[in-house]
Amino acid sequence: EVQLVESGGGLVQPGGSLRLSCAASGFTFSDHYMDWVRQAPGKGLEWVGRTRDKANSYTTDYAASVRGRFTISRDDSKNSLFLHMNSLKTEDTAVYYCARDIDTGTHAPGYWGQGTLVTVSS
Amino acid sequence: QSVLTQPPSASGTPGQRVTISCSGSRSNIGSKFVYWYQQLPGTAPKLLIYRNDQRPSGVPDRFSGSQSGTSASLAISGLRSEDEADYYCAAWDDSLSGRVFGGGTKLTVL
Repeated sequence: EVQLVESGGGLVQPGGSLRLSCAASGFTFSDHYMDWVRQAPGKGLEWVGRTRDKANSYTTDYAASVRGRFTISRDDSKNSLFLHMNSLKTEDTAVYYCARDIDTGTHAPGYWGQGTLVTVSS
Repeated sequence: QSVLTQPPSASGTPGQRVTISCSGSRSNIGSKFVYWYQQLPGTAPKLLIYRNDQRPSGVPDRFSGSQSGTSASLAISGLRSEDEADYYCAAWDDSLSGRVFGGGTKLTVL
C-alpha cells in the first residue's frame, strides 16, 4: 500500500526558512515522480513543484510563485522527499501535500499524503 | 485567478446527474490530459479521473470524465450525499512548464 507521511510544518517568521519531509513506503521510490502541492486556508490547490525519477536524472520543475525560493530534493536511499523553503512570505501559509505520480507512465499526482501545515507569521 | 476555470459551486438532489466544467487553453487542456480530484472536508485530495476519462480502481462508475478541445467535464450520476465535496480539475501546462489546477467547485447535495 502506498503511504506518504509529511512532517516538518510549523510556525515560522517572514523571511525565515523551513524544511518539509515526506516519508514514502509501499513502492519503489526511485521509480516515481513526486510533487508538492499546497492549499492555503480556505483556498484551492496550488502546485508547488515536482522532481522526476532517477531515470530522468531527478530534474525539477517549479511554480513561478516559488521558483528561486523553494527547492525540492529527494533521498532515494531513505525513501524521502524534501521541500526546502527559504525567504518565506505570509502568502506561503498553507497545508503542504506531497504526492506520488499515478504510475511510472502517468506523472500526475495519484497518491497524496495527509499534509503538513506551514504558518508564516510574525 | 486560476489558469483553469471552474464554476465555484454546483448542486443537485440525490439521484440527479451533475456536471462540472473546466475551461483551459491550447497549452493545457487542448494538448494535455486532464485529471480530476475530489476533496472531502478536512481530508487530502483523492484522484477521481485520470487521462481525461479513466477511473482508478475503486472509483464508482457514477463518476465520468470527458474532454473536448480546450474544455473538460466531470459528470456525477446518481448523486449521493457522500459526493458533497470540492472538485478540482488539473492539467500540465506547456507554456508555464508546470501543473495547473482549476479553482475548485464546491458540490452541494441538497
